[in-house]
Amino acid sequence: AQSVTQLDSHVSVSEGTPVLLRCNYSSSYSPSLFWYVQHPNKGLQLLLKYTSAATLVKGINGFEAEFKKSETSFHLTKPSAHMSDAAEYFCVVSDLSGSARQLTFGSGTQLTV
Amino acid sequence: ETGVTQTPRHLVMGMTNKKSLKCEQHLGHNAMYWYKQSAKKPLELMFVYNFKEQTENNSVPSRFSPECPNSSHLFLHLHTLQPEDSALYLCASSLSGGAMQETQYFGPGTRLLVL
Repeated sequence: AQSVTQLDSHVSVSEGTPVLLRCNYSSSYSPSLFWYVQHPNKGLQLLLKYTSAATLVKGINGFEAEFKKSETSFHLTKPSAHMSDAAEYFCVVSDLSGSARQLTFGSGTQLTV
Repeated sequence: ETGVTQTPRHLVMGMTNKKSLKCEQHLGHNAMYWYKQSAKKPLELMFVYNFKEQTENNSVPSRFSPECPNSSHLFLHLHTLQPEDSALYLCASSLSGGAMQETQYFGPGTRLLVL
């Protein structure tokens, strides 16, 4: 069975400082991993995804994430936070359960800038 | 905007009412999903439709009834709901629903309050 753990429910940073949102996963196979962002009263928007190509994945709005298989981590980073980055962020793992694809969502990290 | 629209955006209903949520995608996708997002809980997958056929029902109570008349439209019919059903209901779509690396595209959600 797969699972996702977002290690911080809330992260607060000052504008212009780096952002680190942590995500650990467990999976039986080689998963695909995603980060989505949700602004207030909006749906989820894809930031980036890892699909077994390059381990360092670049996304939109200056975000990037590094897949580390040895640490089963997929942390999201940004060098310099902007006020508009304030939102909730979800780490998601996509894996096979039997013959069916299954998505598992983390519980979210609220980023305050 | 992501190409997935949902109406209404907000809904207040009593426990004896019947209402429907509508989702429409303009992306040419063949898979559509309903999720429930409650405060302090991870997103819960409710239903999956692939090429108009329901392929997953995640133990959802029968007071929620989905309908998918074509690949572009998805409905969630609601009747005799409970206050604990109050949540944000999100619709999503993806190209085919099968590949692990496939991205789901989400609508803005319907904020439902059951009194």
